[in-house]
Amino acid sequence: QSVLTQPPSVSGAPGQRVTISCTGSSSNIGAGYDVHWYQQLPGIAPKLLIYGNSYRPSGVPDRFSGSKSGTSASLAITGLQAEDEADYYCQSYDSSLSGSVFGGGTKLTVL
Amino acid sequence: QVQLVESGGGVVQPGRSLRLSCAASGFTFSSYGMYWVRQAPGKGLEWVAVMSYDGSNKNYADSVKGRFTISRDNSKNTLYLQMNSLRAEDTAVYYCAREHFGYLQHWGQGTLVTVSS
Repeated sequence: QSVLTQPPSVSGAPGQRVTISCTGSSSNIGAGYDVHWYQQLPGIAPKLLIYGNSYRPSGVPDRFSGSKSGTSASLAITGLQAEDEADYYCQSYDSSLSGSVFGGGTKLTVL
Repeated sequence: QVQLVESGGGVVQPGRSLRLSCAASGFTFSSYGMYWVRQAPGKGLEWVAVMSYDGSNKNYADSVKGRFTISRDNSKNTLYLQMNSLRAEDTAVYYCAREHFGYLQHWGQGTLVTVSS
């Protein structure tokens, strides 16, 4: 069981919008710690997608956006493309564990 | 450009030891905290260990505490993970990553550790 909870899978047709949730608790997201998102294409190392809840590193398309509210965060992907098919992970810090925590990951399927 | 290259993975028997290395280049290694993150086959990401830029602070996941040791040699731009008393559940791809304000900005390609008799 991951400390941060993500849906195991989401799907959408090309061009559509999908969101991936990341639910934590008062010792991590709810405590004010930032949430970061990573994209992992099949067989490849993860890549930073969103940092500090809503900031995109250079080179990440603005189709990807992040938000945070209370004990949860969300990743939104608009204008879905076939190359977005990947696993997505959220990450934050947990004060009770005194360490980083990841969500269990969400597999995005582009129909 | 930032490069992180892990090495040292392989097949090892339960109870034995292994040391992973992560060679860094393209940035001032001594200025950044560094992480080890692992991914068991078909599973999600798991934080393993973190070390501050100067080695003065380190922390471990409960699953490896007392068995794994993170270290770094800033003169060699290299991060290490000494893994002792290995168990089958330690089987995973191990990634090193450069940390910046809590997020993992750059990742290596990973090295596979298989613990099996």
